Amino acid sequence: SQKIEQNSEALNIQEGKTATLTCNYTNYSPAYLQWYRQDPGRGPVFLLLIRENEKEKRKERLKVTFDTTLKQSLFHITASQPADSATYLCALGPGANNLFFGTGTRLTVIP
Amino acid sequence: DAGITQSPRHKVTETGTPVTLRCHQTENHRYMYWYRQDPGHGLRLIHYSYGVKDTDKGEVSDGYSVSRSKTEDFLLTLESATSSQTSVYFCAISGGTPEGQPQHFGDGTRLSIL
Repeated sequence: SQKIEQNSEALNIQEGKTATLTCNYTNYSPAYLQWYRQDPGRGPVFLLLIRENEKEKRKERLKVTFDTTLKQSLFHITASQPADSATYLCALGPGANNLFFGTGTRLTVIP
Repeated sequence: DAGITQSPRHKVTETGTPVTLRCHQTENHRYMYWYRQDPGHGLRLIHYSYGVKDTDKGEVSDGYSVSRSKTEDFLLTLESATSSQTSVYFCAISGGTPEGQPQHFGDGTRLSIL
């Protein structure tokens, strides 16, 4: 069965630095990959989508890469701020009935 | 924010009792989903709906049933709750075809079964 691993449960980083989160997967060939942000007590919020034929996607301070050979996506937050502290989830698709989520990485940006 | 309301937000009940969770949307989206989120497992799909009266099973559907009699409402029922169903339940919606469409989530229902 498919397996999704996000690099670590928790990542601490100093304000202003670039945070890099990793999503690795096995036994699956996704057509696209999504990243979500989840704050405590709230539902996930969609951030970015990248498709298998795209190598990189950017949105403001966020950048996502997708390497189908390595079976890996990297999620970068540049110039990180304490407000970026949250849990970040990667999810792989396609399909309404098989969007697979990773367990998430809890990012803490230290002032 | 997408108009998704989950009710109740918190519930404590006893093993063996029936429980129904409600998801209400104001976006007129076709697709609706129920997930559960547990430590170490991430979000897992329970059931989803692709239209009124059209539903299908997800990864962890055993012990759960759903109904969708109106576009805006998607109900999740635990017929006879067990302690293993203690979890946080999220409803999500998406519009158009599902390929790559982002999902918009409610704020969850925290369910404890004693």
